[in-house]
Amino acid sequence: SQTIHQWPATLVQPVGSPLSLECTVEGTSNPNLYWYRQAAGRGLQLLFYSVGIGQISSEVPQNLSASRPQDRQFILSSKKLLLSDSGFYLCAWGGLAHYNEQFFGPGTRLTVL
Amino acid sequence: ILNVEQSPQSLHVQEGDSTNFTCSFPSSNFYALHWYRWETAKSPEALFVMTLNGDEKKKGRISATLNTKEGYSYLYIKGSQPEDSATYLCAPPNDMRFGAGTRLTVKP
Repeated sequence: SQTIHQWPATLVQPVGSPLSLECTVEGTSNPNLYWYRQAAGRGLQLLFYSVGIGQISSEVPQNLSASRPQDRQFILSSKKLLLSDSGFYLCAWGGLAHYNEQFFGPGTRLTVL
Repeated sequence: ILNVEQSPQSLHVQEGDSTNFTCSFPSSNFYALHWYRWETAKSPEALFVMTLNGDEKKKGRISATLNTKEGYSYLYIKGSQPEDSATYLCAPPNDMRFGAGTRLTVKP
């Protein structure tokens, strides 16, 4: 069976510090991978998605970046965090089965102070 | 890209009431549609994938219908319970850009 791991679960970082959130998937190959963010009081915003190693599509201009160094690894990064980067970050994977139904990781609660 | 819109944004019902909400999309380029249930501080969970015009899917007290010709899908909850309180999201499968969701609150 497939599982998705995401860490850390919570993170408190000062403004201007770097960020690295990691997501890994087990039990499937060549998944589509996604990073989402929920800011306070808002909906689920797609940040990045990837259909393969090294292939990243960015949805919104921001100080975040994503990388996919391996087939089942997806990393969200920032060189300098802003207060507005606070939120709940979710990684998800989808595949061709069931019309790309998505399976979400447990999420990371990021607070930037 | 299939842009979806959801209505209403929020809904408050009493325990035992039945309710429904809508996901609208342009009918011209429809492929499929996913419904998700998202509880606060948790991860979204898939409810249904809707693919064919006239589809009706059911899971317990929750059901969904699809009308691709007019461009909408309805989600119904029969006899709402407090544990149904969540945000209900729809999204097309290709790019998974979710709608803003309908936030349902069921009061005991």
